[in-house]
Amino acid sequence: QLVLTQSPSASASLGASVKLTCTLSSGHSSYAIAWHQQQPEKGPRYLMKLNSDGSHSKGDGIPDRFSGSSSGAERYLTISSLQSEDEADYYCQTWGTGFVVFGGGTKLTVL
Amino acid sequence: EVQLVESGGVVVQPGGSLRLSCAASGFTFDDYTMHWVRQAPGKGLEWVSLISWDGGSTYYADSVKGRFTISRDNSKNSLYLQMNSLRTEDTALYYCAKDIMAITIFGFVDYWGQGTLVTVSS
Repeated sequence: QLVLTQSPSASASLGASVKLTCTLSSGHSSYAIAWHQQQPEKGPRYLMKLNSDGSHSKGDGIPDRFSGSSSGAERYLTISSLQSEDEADYYCQTWGTGFVVFGGGTKLTVL
Repeated sequence: EVQLVESGGVVVQPGGSLRLSCAASGFTFDDYTMHWVRQAPGKGLEWVSLISWDGGSTYYADSVKGRFTISRDNSKNSLYLQMNSLRTEDTALYYCAKDIMAITIFGFVDYWGQGTLVTVSS
């Protein structure tokens, strides 16, 4: 069964970096994912599509502070030089041929 | 600029029906697969359904299969979601979203609307 697992919460200080993780279920380590950001009281915003080899393509206007990487079944979103507006929920998403799967989301707090 | 504007969300009683609409602009609508995704209050994102660029293929989440029908009118640049036999657990903000790649079902979304709220309550 295709499942994406995310930690419910993360925190980091203003100006620091943070690395969020999305883990693909067993047998699905070759799958690409997408990262989406949802700021409070707003609709989601596409950040990037991330392949199993770590290559990624970002959405329009996404700052260079956002980057992606991969290792095995894990897909990462790294945000550097954290700003207050980065405080948001972050969701990973993938496609399972006939259905779309979202992770449970990680709530990022900027301290 | 890509724009997706949802409408049609209201308060409806359990067992009732509702049709949501999504007006698209800023891209060649009939080249792209479109999705509906929902978010219950205080919860995460849940994919609902998708329809291929030509309307020839549709997919549904198990939670809505047999009750919801996705459709599109490419002449009007519009996406729809017909919701029947509504349940309290269908209460959510419903988002329209565009697939990334043209003339295929790629399964990843790159633009989202702002959502329309559906409340199922007696």
